[in-house]
Amino acid sequence: DIQMTQSPSSVSASVGDSVTITCRASQDISRWLAWYQHKPGKAPQLLIYAASSLQSGVPSRFSGSESGTDFTLTISSLQPEDFATYYCQQANSFPYTFGQGTKLEIK
Amino acid sequence: QVQLVQSGAEVKKPGASVKVSCEASGYTFIAYYIHWVRQAPGQRLQWMGWINPNSDDTNYAHEFQGRVTMTRDTSISTAYMELSRLTSDDTAVYYCAKDRGKQDNIFDIWGQGTMVTVSS
Repeated sequence: DIQMTQSPSSVSASVGDSVTITCRASQDISRWLAWYQHKPGKAPQLLIYAASSLQSGVPSRFSGSESGTDFTLTISSLQPEDFATYYCQQANSFPYTFGQGTKLEIK
Repeated sequence: QVQLVQSGAEVKKPGASVKVSCEASGYTFIAYYIHWVRQAPGQRLQWMGWINPNSDDTNYAHEFQGRVTMTRDTSISTAYMELSRLTSDDTAVYYCAKDRGKQDNIFDIWGQGTMVTVSS
């Protein structure tokens, strides 16, 4: 199975800050990487697919990039509603695996 | 609007089975795969498998093969996930999720989740 490793596990930031979360795949997954936002008691929400494509309806302050097997999610100008847990997921190879999550907390 | 609505919370005893439903609306049900994903307390999201509502084909993660059955009823646009021989390790929130495209294996719409508690 492809292992997805996110860093950091948690991060504290303030409204207006910019934050970057990294996800590393244990092997090549091409660009088949998605990012999700998950709030307690809610369904996860797709933010980014194909490493850098913004899902319809998602604010443009969310962006994704890739470099080999390393992927990043950047949230610029944090808003109060952005504090949540973020997961990456590889969609390249069965079984489709997730990172362990990054909890974004208010400083 | 496009949505998936799941059945309510379940409490089961070890060794029992649970069946969770996922009703789709707002789109053509047979056009997109339905995936099932679970999250145990304090754990990461875990993909369980998919069903092609058009063909009834399924594909299960190795960990669940022999214990999970995914089915669908196209007449009511509903997918089902049944998990048998439950243990306490199966205590989790179970989600259904719609595939974003033609088997992209990326999930653009999720159900609200169904809490399954396994306890004696």
